[in-house]
Amino acid sequence: AQSVSQHNHHVILSEAASLELGCNYSYGGTVNLFWYVQYPGQHLQLLLKYFSGDPLVKGIKGFEAEFIKSKFSFNLRKPSVQWSDTAEYFCASKGGSQGNLIFGKGTKLSVKP
Amino acid sequence: NAGVTQTPKFRILKIGQSMTLQCTQDMNHNYMYWYRQDPGMGLKLIYYSVGAGITDKGEVPNGYNVSRSTTEDFPLRLELAAPSQTSVYFCASSSRVINQPQHFGDGTRLSIL
Repeated sequence: AQSVSQHNHHVILSEAASLELGCNYSYGGTVNLFWYVQYPGQHLQLLLKYFSGDPLVKGIKGFEAEFIKSKFSFNLRKPSVQWSDTAEYFCASKGGSQGNLIFGKGTKLSVKP
Repeated sequence: NAGVTQTPKFRILKIGQSMTLQCTQDMNHNYMYWYRQDPGMGLKLIYYSVGAGITDKGEVPNGYNVSRSTTEDFPLRLELAAPSQTSVYFCASSSRVINQPQHFGDGTRLSIL
């Protein structure tokens, strides 16, 4: 069965620090990868997605992710975090013909002002 | 742009009661999904539908039922509420195109006491 692993449960950073959240996926076929963000009390919003092409994907709010096929990884990065980036971040892979998402368990990011 | 609309936003049920969580989307998406989100566990797929009249079980379907009589609506039914069903429920939809992301509703926070 497909799976998505996120390495960090909770990350605490100070404003202006750099961010990298790890994500590994297990599926060896067609790659459809996503990062979603969930601000407190809100629904999931798409940050960025990767299907093919340039392995460095740029998303909204200054986030980017790098797809490394040999490592089955899709890590999320941001050079300088802000307090407003405090949220939970989910990596997901599209699974099977039904198109549902396989989610990682999420990484909670707390940014101290 | 309404997107995916879920009602109610909050609900408290007693053990053994039943209720229906409503989900409607106005994007003419064929694919619709129900997920539950539990702390530290990410999102798990309950049921999904690839079009009106077609539904199928996801990873955690026990205790739930769904129907899809129209493209727009995908209600989730709890017949005999149990404490284990205390969770946040998210409805999502996507188009048939493989590289399109899922759009999520705001969620329903359900407590079973």
